[in-house]
Amino acid sequence: RKEVEQDPGPFNVPEGATVAFNCTYSNSASQSFFWYRQDCRKEPKLLMSVYSSGNEDGRFTAQLNRASQYISLLIRDSKLSDSATYLCVVNTNAGKSTFGDGTTLTVKP
Amino acid sequence: EAGVVQSPRYKIIEKKQPVAFWCNPISGHNTLYWYRQNLGQGPELLIRYENEEAVDDSQLPKDRFSAERLKGVDSTLKIQPAELGDSAVYLCASSSRLQSYEQYFGPGTRLTVT
Repeated sequence: RKEVEQDPGPFNVPEGATVAFNCTYSNSASQSFFWYRQDCRKEPKLLMSVYSSGNEDGRFTAQLNRASQYISLLIRDSKLSDSATYLCVVNTNAGKSTFGDGTTLTVKP
Repeated sequence: EAGVVQSPRYKIIEKKQPVAFWCNPISGHNTLYWYRQNLGQGPELLIRYENEEAVDDSQLPKDRFSAERLKGVDSTLKIQPAELGDSAVYLCASSSRLQSYEQYFGPGTRLTVT
């Protein structure tokens, strides 16, 4: 079993839809959590950090459930430009990072 | 502020040849990472440096891969000899403990071994 698991998708949604991705992790010592976005043939770019209390940035909401060891990303009012692969990243307190394999989102007109 | 710089962007070599990748992190970032990414997968950590010290190289295939970060700034990753299965994108990232290890990536080097 991988340390960080994501549903690979693809998720195909119409513009304006709400879509949610989950990511589960197995290392209970994990301390910090992030969502990255990766466009085709580009490098990953930080989308948002995930805080224990949950956090929101515009149309994006990230949540952490430590008890069940998963994080989620909610995208509201999807835009065509949201089409990308979304990677979750889990860090231990010592700075070790583990990436999931990503969830691919395609937003269609 | 300049981002993470990597070179070359693309490299095509024949198997058994050596190859080297270079990375210059964001100024002030003490932590530097080398990742390998295959198509359809997330980045896989090869090695992580804190300043000039390699603190996690457990995933580095040490029989053919080597890395250095002599002055705690830029870094080089080498493969010798390359194998067909080494074809991938090699990503460098840097971060700062002061920013909760948020990582910033360079554009990567796309390696093709023929």
